[in-house]
Amino acid sequence: AQSVAQPEDQVNVAEGNPLTVKCTYSVSGNPYLFWYVQYPNRGLQFLLKYITGDNLVKGSYGFEAEFNKSQTSFHLKKPSALVSDSALYFCAVRDGNFNKFYFGSGTKLNVKP
Amino acid sequence: DTGVSQNPRHKITKRGQNVTFRCDPISEHNRLYWYRQTLGQGPEFLTYFQNEAQLEKSRLLSDRFSAERPKGSFSTLEIQRTEQGDSAMYLCASSPKFGIPYEQYFGPGTRLTVT
Repeated sequence: AQSVAQPEDQVNVAEGNPLTVKCTYSVSGNPYLFWYVQYPNRGLQFLLKYITGDNLVKGSYGFEAEFNKSQTSFHLKKPSALVSDSALYFCAVRDGNFNKFYFGSGTKLNVKP
Repeated sequence: DTGVSQNPRHKITKRGQNVTFRCDPISEHNRLYWYRQTLGQGPEFLTYFQNEAQLEKSRLLSDRFSAERPKGSFSTLEIQRTEQGDSAMYLCASSPKFGIPYEQYFGPGTRLTVT
C-alpha cells in the first residue's frame, strides 16, 4: 500500500542552524516525491520535487531534499533556518502507476530567533 | 489573482443536507485534483480529472460524493446526505499540462462544518 510517514509532528530549531524534516515513503513503481509548505491561512505551496536524476534536489526558498532509495527516504533540509521558515511542511508521493498522490501528516517547523 | 479559487470558503450545513463546492483552476491547467484534509492530517486524495475526464477516484470516496468537470474548466464536488464525519477542509489543486511534472497549485480550500 502507498503511504508517506513524517515521524516528527514538530521540529524546533534556532535561527541560523541547519534544519531537517524527515519523510519516508512506500510506493509501487518509481517514486515521484514532493515537498509542500503551508503557511497559516494560506494554501499549500510547492517547494520541490524528485522525479529522476540527481538524488539531491534544490527547491524554493533555499530548501533542498535528498532522495535515498535504499532507505526509502526523502528528507527536507536547509543549511541555515530563518524565522520565516516556520510553517507546516508536507511530504507527498505520487503512486507510481496511477495519478494519485499521498501526503504525510505534516511536520510543524518552529524556528526561534 | 490568477491562482486556484474555491467557493464558498466556509460552509455550515445540517446533517442530511446536500452541499456543493466549486473550484476554478488556473487557466489552461488541464489537470485538477480534489483532496480532503482534517485537522492534524495531510491532504487525502479524493479524485483526479484530466480535462473533463475523471480518471482516478479514491476507493475511500463513498457513493455520497460526486465530482464533475464539465468542459474541462471549473469543477464541482457534491456531497449528498452530509454526515458529521464529512466535516473537513476540501482542497482543490490544478496542474499544468506542461512544465514541472505533477507540480500542483492549491486553492485556499472550503471548510465544511456539518452540525
